[in-house]
Amino acid sequence: DTGVSQNPRHKITKRGQNVTFRCDPISEHNRLYWYRQTLGQGPEFLTYFQNEAQLEKSRLLSDRFSAERPKGSFSTLEIQRTEQGDSAMYLCASSTGTGTEAFFGQGTRLTVV
Amino acid sequence: GEDVEQSLFLSVREGDSSVINCTYTDSSSTYLYWYKQEPGAGLQLLTYIFSNMDMKQDQRLTVLLNKKDKHLSLRIADTQTGDSAIYFCAESIRNDYKLSFGAGTTVTVRA
Repeated sequence: DTGVSQNPRHKITKRGQNVTFRCDPISEHNRLYWYRQTLGQGPEFLTYFQNEAQLEKSRLLSDRFSAERPKGSFSTLEIQRTEQGDSAMYLCASSTGTGTEAFFGQGTRLTVV
Repeated sequence: GEDVEQSLFLSVREGDSSVINCTYTDSSSTYLYWYKQEPGAGLQLLTYIFSNMDMKQDQRLTVLLNKKDKHLSLRIADTQTGDSAIYFCAESIRNDYKLSFGAGTTVTVRA
């Protein structure tokens, strides 16, 4: 296993379109997190899964955003009706239930034009 | 995040020590972390410190924690050009890895 994998690495979309990103965590990790990072800022927490259960959602996650982790393995993050303000790097991280270290993927950079 | 503050830029000469500072506001933070991000890449965990410790050393990295002043620092000894990156300080309140990050300090290493 080579770590947390995110696809695609880059996505350019027109305003109003829907986009979906995928995250494959490290295989034995039961916790999965999504963060968003805008230019010049640190990552901001979006949501968190333990196995398939979505346990916490930030108020940053508007109704246009939905995340799933149907089988407790990979996760998807969908943004509907994209807006220019959605342009950012979307980062996924995973960890075990007991460790202190989470591993981040390379991120998906979204550009809404 | 608004709860974690860092200076934005640091320039250091190759071979010197770098010191990156961070302040946080939540006294119930349990773990504090330092991450490194190179251009176009994800985040790499460099080191972390538990809130009941005041110092941790790991090879060229030394973390100092002043819990009373809510101040965290990262010292990089013998700074190399490969250390040029953005360094983020982050805190977690409980061990579920919900992190609050600072805006990052851009470290530039000059020859």
